[in-house]
Amino acid sequence: QSVLTQPPSVSGAPGQRVTISCTGSSSNIGAGYDVNWYQQLPGTVPKLLIYGNTNRPSGVPDRFSGSKSGTSASLAITGLQADDEADYYCQSYDSRLGGLYVFGTGTKVTVL
Amino acid sequence: QVQLQESGPGLVKPSETLSLTCTVSGDSISDYYWSWIRQPPGKGLEWVAYIYYSGTTNYNPSLKSRVTISLDTSKNQFSLKLTSVTAADTAVYYCARVRFSGAFDMWGQGTMVSVSS
Repeated sequence: QSVLTQPPSVSGAPGQRVTISCTGSSSNIGAGYDVNWYQQLPGTVPKLLIYGNTNRPSGVPDRFSGSKSGTSASLAITGLQADDEADYYCQSYDSRLGGLYVFGTGTKVTVL
Repeated sequence: QVQLQESGPGLVKPSETLSLTCTVSGDSISDYYWSWIRQPPGKGLEWVAYIYYSGTTNYNPSLKSRVTISLDTSKNQFSLKLTSVTAADTAVYYCARVRFSGAFDMWGQGTMVSVSS
């Protein structure tokens, strides 16, 4: 049911930069609703990584950054580290059907 | 520091009702929106419902006919009921706090609920 599309996987070597896209539509990201990002390490609870498109909660390294343009958003991870290997989800709000929160399909980041 | 803890049965029979409670500590439940999110094994996240202390609620349209979210300010808890469950409702259920930009900034540890006879 996900209305936000992410690539299933991305990979990179330690120290490299990777980006994860999140493609929505005119009823969610394109309507101006904020995009949030979560990191879910294996077997753990999702953790808020980016909120309001570009903001990092306290304690999140500045290696993680978010951006938004039109009907899409992106998460960039610079200086990739082994413990960045996790699933990443984007999330926003969709105005259809009375309004609902929606998550992206999820992206597995692999550190080579 | 705010903490959320889910509680409820780990096994529910098909066609029965799944009932979960989230106990919030370290913060007043009256100050924020609160939500339930679930994750089937090996799959992605799905938002289920949210509630505000005023009584405002919203449900995922795909579950709306079966879901009820409620709140007990005296116990600083909120709850989820999902009726007529099937195997497709098997998932880890998380409770979470909704903050800026509709972000879920605090999560419970999650509770695995299996639907099986």
